[in-house]
Amino acid sequence: DAGVIQSPRHEVTEMGQEVTLRCKPISGHDYLFWYRQTMMRGLELLIYFNNNVPIDDSGMPEDRFSAKMPNASFSTLKIQPSEPRDSAVYFCASKQGNQPQHFGDGTRLSIL
Amino acid sequence: AQSVTQLDSQVPVFEEAPVELRCNYSSSVSVYLFWYVQYPNQGLQLLLKYLSGSTLVKGINGFEAEFNKSQTSFHLRKPSVHISDTAEYFCAYQTGANNLFFGTGTRLTVIP
Repeated sequence: DAGVIQSPRHEVTEMGQEVTLRCKPISGHDYLFWYRQTMMRGLELLIYFNNNVPIDDSGMPEDRFSAKMPNASFSTLKIQPSEPRDSAVYFCASKQGNQPQHFGDGTRLSIL
Repeated sequence: AQSVTQLDSQVPVFEEAPVELRCNYSSSVSVYLFWYVQYPNQGLQLLLKYLSGSTLVKGINGFEAEFNKSQTSFHLRKPSVHISDTAEYFCAYQTGANNLFFGTGTRLTVIP
């Protein structure tokens, strides 16, 4: 079975540009999570969805960040405008019910 | 408030030696506890989980962990490590909600 698929794997862009990260969860999973990993702050939960509905977005750092889940097989995390301090590895994870989360391989984002 | 603390940021160990990675949790309610492993440039992979029942939990790759309620610990152990075990290890907890909270990680380096 395919795992959680994230794209792109790497993104380098200049500050001020819009960045869109994509995630395809495992088929049948009803929860989707977005995390950010940095050296300074470790792994932080940004937002999670249940059945495509955002449940907790308290971890989203600023209004520049937004996430959507238009259907059960796709989610996006958008940063507009991007800033150098947004540079991090962004992970998507999904799970079914009370089962553990499965993680994608992440998107390494560098904002110059 | 709930939290997990990983006491060691780095653990070097010789190949075929035993290893213990420490994790302590703080919670006034029941929690689910997890250990995840992250290999370079990859996402997190579940090693093992404790939900209830037997306090000794066996996971993949020969790892095991013991839930100790009196000491509020969930230490990860392996009797004999391999070079391929070199990675970052994260302890995490989950309460009744779906949020997964991670420790700061322990970098295990296996020395030939």
